[in-house]
Amino acid sequence: DAGVIQSPRHEVTEMGQEVTLRCKPISGHDYLFWYRQTMMRGLELLIYFNNNVPIDDSGMPEDRFSAKMPNASFSTLKIQPSEPRDSAVYFCASSLGTSHRDYGYTFGSGTRLTVV
Amino acid sequence: AQKVTQAQTEISVVEKEDVTLDCVYETRDTTYYLFWYKQPPSGELVFLIRRNSFDEQNEISGRYSWNFQKSTSSFNFTITASQVVDSAVYFCALRGTGRRALTFGSGTRLQVQP
Repeated sequence: DAGVIQSPRHEVTEMGQEVTLRCKPISGHDYLFWYRQTMMRGLELLIYFNNNVPIDDSGMPEDRFSAKMPNASFSTLKIQPSEPRDSAVYFCASSLGTSHRDYGYTFGSGTRLTVV
Repeated sequence: AQKVTQAQTEISVVEKEDVTLDCVYETRDTTYYLFWYKQPPSGELVFLIRRNSFDEQNEISGRYSWNFQKSTSSFNFTITASQVVDSAVYFCALRGTGRRALTFGSGTRLQVQP
C-alpha cells in the first residue's frame, strides 16, 4: 500500500488566495483526520470523518476553513481566503476502527503551507 | 477532556547514552489507547507503538522500551544506547473511548550528539 498520500508537499501562496490541500487515505480505512502543526500550538486536530461523514469539526479555526470527503478515497481541506497565520504543516491521517479495537493511525507526509 | 503532558521540551545526550522521554496523560475514560510517534527532521510522523489501557505489560522492541503505569498515568519511552539517527521530536498521544481522534502532547526534541 502506498500509505496516506497528500498533495501538494509544499504550497506558497499570497494572502487572500484560496488554498486546497488534498488527501488520499489508505484503501479500506474508514476514518480520516486533518491535523495542523505549528510551533505555537503543536499538533492540533482540525476535523475528522467516519465513512465520509464529518464527525467532529470543533477544531476548525473559523469559517475560512472547510473540509470535504466526497468519497472514501479522497478528502480536501480548503482555506479561503488564506492568511499568514495559516502557515503551518497540515497532516492527513487515516485509520481503521472497530468497536473493539483500534488499529492505529497512519499519517501522510504533510503539506507545508506558507502564506505570504 | 483528554490531556497529554510531555514536560521535557528538549533533551540532549551523547551517543550510546540511555534516555527516557516522559509522558503523563489525563482521561476519564476507563478504556483508552496510548501512542508514541517519532518525527525526524524530514517531517513525517512515524508510528512507534500503541498500548491499550487494559494491557499494562511493558514492551521492548530492540533498543526501544515503554513503561506503562496506570497508577501514575504515565507512559514513558526509553531509548537504550542512543544513536544519532534517534535525533527527532517524539510525541506521545492519547485516544479515549468516544472521540476517535488522537490528542497529542507538545513533543520532546531529542538531540543525540556523536
